[in-house]
Amino acid sequence: GENVEQHPSTLSVQEGDSAVIKCTYSDSASNYFPWYKQELGKRPQLIIDIRSNVGEKKDQRIAVTLNKTAKHFSLHITETQPEDSAVYFCAASRRTSYDKVIFGPGTSLSVIP
Amino acid sequence: DVKVTQSSRYLVKRTGEKVFLECVQDMDHENMFWYRQDPGLGLRLIYFSYDVKMKEKGDIPEGYSVSREKKERFSLILESASTNQTSMYLCASSGTGLTEAFFGQGTRLTVV
Repeated sequence: GENVEQHPSTLSVQEGDSAVIKCTYSDSASNYFPWYKQELGKRPQLIIDIRSNVGEKKDQRIAVTLNKTAKHFSLHITETQPEDSAVYFCAASRRTSYDKVIFGPGTSLSVIP
Repeated sequence: DVKVTQSSRYLVKRTGEKVFLECVQDMDHENMFWYRQDPGLGLRLIYFSYDVKMKEKGDIPEGYSVSREKKERFSLILESASTNQTSMYLCASSGTGLTEAFFGQGTRLTVV
């Protein structure tokens, strides 16, 4: 089955700096890669996703890149703000008759004012 | 507004008890999931269901079972609770295709 690895497990950056979180997946048939943000005490929520026919996607300060050959995908947050502090999960899924989403172990991001 | 609702926010149960965690979604989603969240281990899939009465094992199904008698409701059952099942349990639902999963607020289960 699919296995998703994520690095680093914790990340501290100064406010205004960039943050990068990297994930790898094992199932070459995976074709959907969402990223979720979980603030302390809250439920995970989707912040951005990318499909396998796209190499890069951007939404304001957040961007995701995908390298299908290497089975890597990354989340980039620019101009970080304290409210970006949260746990971020990458995930992978493949389109079959049903959709199972497998998550990475998470990255705890702290943005220091 | 999208809603996935879990029946309890906090539960304390005794070892050996049968425990039911309930999840209801109002989005007419086909897929429903149960995850377990532990520090450093992320979200691990216990079971999922892609249709009424259909279920598939996830990565850690041992000690758990599920029930989906109606499309909007997905129940997680701990047949005989053990202390190593103390955890945060998250339910989620999604439509078919490459779509977003919506999570419930979570149930913090403590088994004593």
